[in-house]
This record gives sequence, structure tokens and C-alpha cells, in this order.
Amino acid sequence: GESVGLHLPTLSVQEGDNSIINCAYSNSASDYFIWYKQESGKGPQFIIDIRSNMDKRQGQRVTVLLNKTVKHLSLQIAATQPGDSAVYFCAENGAGRRALTFGSGTRLQVQP
Amino acid sequence: NAGVTQTPKFQVLKTGQSMTLQCAQDMNHNSMYWYRQDPGMGLRLIYYSASEGTTDKGEVPNGYNVSRLNKREFSLRLESAAPSQTSVYFCASSSRTSGSGNTIYFGEGSWLTVV
Repeated sequence: GESVGLHLPTLSVQEGDNSIINCAYSNSASDYFIWYKQESGKGPQFIIDIRSNMDKRQGQRVTVLLNKTVKHLSLQIAATQPGDSAVYFCAENGAGRRALTFGSGTRLQVQP
Repeated sequence: NAGVTQTPKFQVLKTGQSMTLQCAQDMNHNSMYWYRQDPGMGLRLIYYSASEGTTDKGEVPNGYNVSRLNKREFSLRLESAAPSQTSVYFCASSSRTSGSGNTIYFGEGSWLTVV
């Protein structure tokens, strides 16, 4: 069946360093991918998305890379800050599917 | 901007009791969703509504019912609560009804404990 998963459950980085959060997906028909950030006690917040016709997309301090050959997605956060500490989820969707499928999440801990 | 608003924020139920979680969105979105999130896990879809008047089962619909009251409101009902339904429930909405570009926006969550 289709699934979206993450390689690392917890990632600890030093403040100011770059962070890379990885995600694998199994459904080759998926054509839309989103990264969400969830802070403690809050709902998931949209960070950045990418469509399958792109390999890379940049936002403010964040970059998403998509490798369709190996079905891999990553979120890069530049100059990680304490406020970036949260759980990050990747999610995917595809034609005919009306809801996102979420991975299990990676906790990012930023050390001062 | 309110976005997606859900109530209550916290609720404790006894096994067998019933309750309804309310959700409303002010973004004029067509689609609405209910997800549950268990500790250390991602979000699992319970039910969704692609448009006013329609509802469909998601990944984990057993023990739940939904009502799309109008375009703004989508409620989730537990008819006879069980401890396995202890979870955090998130309502969400999106403008598109399917596929690429279907960004979903979430509410702040409802913490439900069934004892």
C-alpha cells in the first residue's frame, strides 16, 4: 500500500547550523508534496510544498528537494533557530486522492 | 484571521458517553477533514467532505460519524466513546478537492480523553 515515512525520528542540531529532514514515499503516482511544522500543543502549519514537475523549491530559509527516481523528499532549514524546534511532517497526495497521507514525523531539537 | 476553528479544546469522557466535536472554517473552502493524531504518530484521516452535502470515509472511520452542516461547518460525533478513541483530533480544510495543489490547513486541535 501507499506510505510516507521518515528516516530519523529525532534530529538534534546546534543553533545556526543547517538542518536536513528526510522523507521517503512509496507511491510513484504521488505528484504533490508538503512539509508541515507542528509545535507542541498546536496544529500542523504549512511550511512549503512542491509539485512533481519540480526538483527543488525555495522559501524563506527553507528548501525542499524532491528526487522522484528514489522517491525521496527532504526539507532543508538554513541557520536553524530555537523557534524551529518542532515536529516536522511530510505529506503527499496524488491525482484522484482527496486527502493527504502523512508520515510519522521527525522531531527537530535546536541546541543553543 | 480565524482560519479553522474547532471546539472544545479539551474534553474528558467516560466510556460509552457520546459527544460532538465542532469545526468551522472561514476561508470559503470546499473540502473539510477530520484527522486523529496519536502519540508519536502522524495524522490519520477519519472522514472527509469534498463539498457541502458529501462525506466519505478515510483510513480510520470506525466509531465515528460526521455531518457537513453547511460549507463552513463539519462536525465529528462519537456515539459511544471508547478508550481507544483517546487522541488529539484535528479539523482541516482545503480549497481544492483533490490531487496536486491540495494544501490542507489545520485547526489547533481537540484533546479528547476517554476513561
